Amino acid sequence: NAGVTQTPKFQVLKTGQSMTLQCAQDMNHEYMSWYRQDPGMGLRLIHYSVGAGITDQGEVPNGYNVSRSTTEDFPLRLLSAAPSQTSVYFCASSSVSGTREKLFFGSGTQLSVL
Amino acid sequence: AQSVSQHNHHVILSEAASLELGCNYSYGGTVNLFWYVQYPGQHLQLLLKYFSGDPLVKGIKGFEAEFIKSKFSFNLRKPSVQWSDTAEYFCAVGLTGKLIFGQGTTLQVKP
Repeated sequence: NAGVTQTPKFQVLKTGQSMTLQCAQDMNHEYMSWYRQDPGMGLRLIHYSVGAGITDQGEVPNGYNVSRSTTEDFPLRLLSAAPSQTSVYFCASSSVSGTREKLFFGSGTQLSVL
Repeated sequence: AQSVSQHNHHVILSEAASLELGCNYSYGGTVNLFWYVQYPGQHLQLLLKYFSGDPLVKGIKGFEAEFIKSKFSFNLRKPSVQWSDTAEYFCAVGLTGKLIFGQGTTLQVKP
């Protein structure tokens, strides 16, 4: 089982560039989410989805867009990258709503915005 | 707003010392509580979780946590740490459709 697959693992962007971080899971999980991890701030929820076609904002949604057209995929889009978005990004999934089951995390994407 | 607070940002212990990491949350309803661990260069792994029942929960690798509802706390403990416990530890609260994480505590265990 692949679990949760994130691509790319590393990315460098210039300010103003756009890109999409990919996330796919093969466990038929309904719940998927994106977090960013910054030193001293833990993991902060960016966006989450409780099923195909349903997304909602987390703690720090500004500057990011998501969509959930299929159960398997939950891409995160940066429309105009800013240095403040330099971070490590983790995608996660779980069955049901994610509140009673553990999250399965991807291996992360280290993003630098210059 | 709901939040999770971890009091210790960086803890340094010698091997065999006892560990207690504090976690408090600010949510008055029914909560589900988690502790995750992130070893250097790896992604997060679940240590233990509490949903209901016995407030003292045991997790992997000898870790345990106690839920004290009156104190809104869910502290993580281990009687005797090992060098391999060096990692970052995150407390999290499960709310409808999402998890909210604390800031994390970096544990460094000296051999």
